[in-house]
Amino acid sequence: KAGVTQTPRYLIKTRGQQVTLSCSPISGHRSVSWYQQTPGQGLQFLFEYFSETQRNKGNFPGRFSGRQFSNSRSEMNVSTLELGDSALYLCASSLEGGLSDTQYFGPGTRLTVL
Amino acid sequence: DQQVKQNSPSLSVQEGRISILNCDYTNSMFDYFLWYKKYPAEGPTFLISISSIKDKNEDGRFTVFLNKSAKHLSLHIVPSQPGDSAVYFCAASSTGAGSYQLTFGKGTKLSVIP
Repeated sequence: KAGVTQTPRYLIKTRGQQVTLSCSPISGHRSVSWYQQTPGQGLQFLFEYFSETQRNKGNFPGRFSGRQFSNSRSEMNVSTLELGDSALYLCASSLEGGLSDTQYFGPGTRLTVL
Repeated sequence: DQQVKQNSPSLSVQEGRISILNCDYTNSMFDYFLWYKKYPAEGPTFLISISSIKDKNEDGRFTVFLNKSAKHLSLHIVPSQPGDSAVYFCAASSTGAGSYQLTFGKGTKLSVIP
């Protein structure tokens, strides 16, 4: 079974631009979560989608948004990029997003904002 | 305010010896705990988990211990192998959070010396 895939793997943008990252979950998984990893803050939860609905949201500004499609694929968008948005963005999928569901992570998208 | 803390950024252990990675948490609502392992350029990989109704869970060379009164958990790896060298993240979640929102520690880099 194919794992979680994320595209692109690397991205360079400039301040003020916007960016869209994509995540394809494991087949059959309906929950997709997004995390931001930075050296200073570690891994931080952004949001979780299930059945095309945002079910849970972390403490990030409204510039960070996402959506999920009917095939469970998810996209994350960051508008008006800031230097501090430079990070590794990780996507994780699980069957239902339940407490004991194992989350499987993709390799991440490395975003650099110049 | 960091709710999950891994106070040791790094740990070096001789091959064949025991590796003990520690994690403390402050949120008493957390009732499910996980350990993830991360190699460079890859996403985190699930290792082992424990529910708050247990105080120990074992899977092969990996054992997780939970001390709820101390709000402390630890991961024991016995015997340690060079392939275990990676960054280990402790994570926690709570049923009160609804869907699966993991709160991560900042990680401990384990180096197993042959």
